[in-house]
Amino acid sequence: DAGITQSPRHKVTETGTPVTLRCHQTENHRYMYWYRQDPGHGLRLIHYSYGVKDTDKGEVSDGYSVSRSKTEDFLLTLESATSSQTSVYFCAISELHQPGLNTEAFFGQGTRLTVV
Amino acid sequence: RKEVEQDPGPFNVPEGATVAFNCTYSNSASQSFFWYRQDCRKEPKLLMSVYSSGNEDGRFTAQLNRASQYISLLIRDSKLSDSATYLCVVKHSNDYKLSFGAGTTVTVRA
Repeated sequence: DAGITQSPRHKVTETGTPVTLRCHQTENHRYMYWYRQDPGHGLRLIHYSYGVKDTDKGEVSDGYSVSRSKTEDFLLTLESATSSQTSVYFCAISELHQPGLNTEAFFGQGTRLTVV
Repeated sequence: RKEVEQDPGPFNVPEGATVAFNCTYSNSASQSFFWYRQDCRKEPKLLMSVYSSGNEDGRFTAQLNRASQYISLLIRDSKLSDSATYLCVVKHSNDYKLSFGAGTTVTVRA
């Protein structure tokens, strides 16, 4: 299995509090992604990174921020958690060996976040 | 319209049966296509990439139809262990994002 770990694996937090989820990889892959998965919606991209300090928004980025100060770490922060952010969050990594070619994305085990 | 759409199922089939389902994508610039498998409460894992000429991996066959903008997955001789949600994934040619369908649930019964 690819070396990718998420922490914490489970978290319950109160509305209005900030929350940071961590994704750590040992594969030295350039690209890292944060997705959320909700019933009926599949995986939706929150933010992604294409290098250290290079990040961009996905389709559901409102209320989230990210940082990547090192290749191996990609942090997702919920600035002020809301109940609508209760979800399962997955981090993924990939490496494009050549532009446009098929490349596998490896996923972390997920973080179950409940906002009460 | 969602970028990637799948029939959610569930497809409930007996062991040994063949099951097939499709995924449609809206962006004609899409270049790379994949099927991922996700077991309950687990992370998605790559099942197979989908190539233009179609490809097979054991009991699994994937096809791509660019003209109609869909990909398909066929599972022959279904096993109980094939029960999972199958995610269709599309990547565009000019960016790094993967777009996921909501998944098709397959349940294989004894």
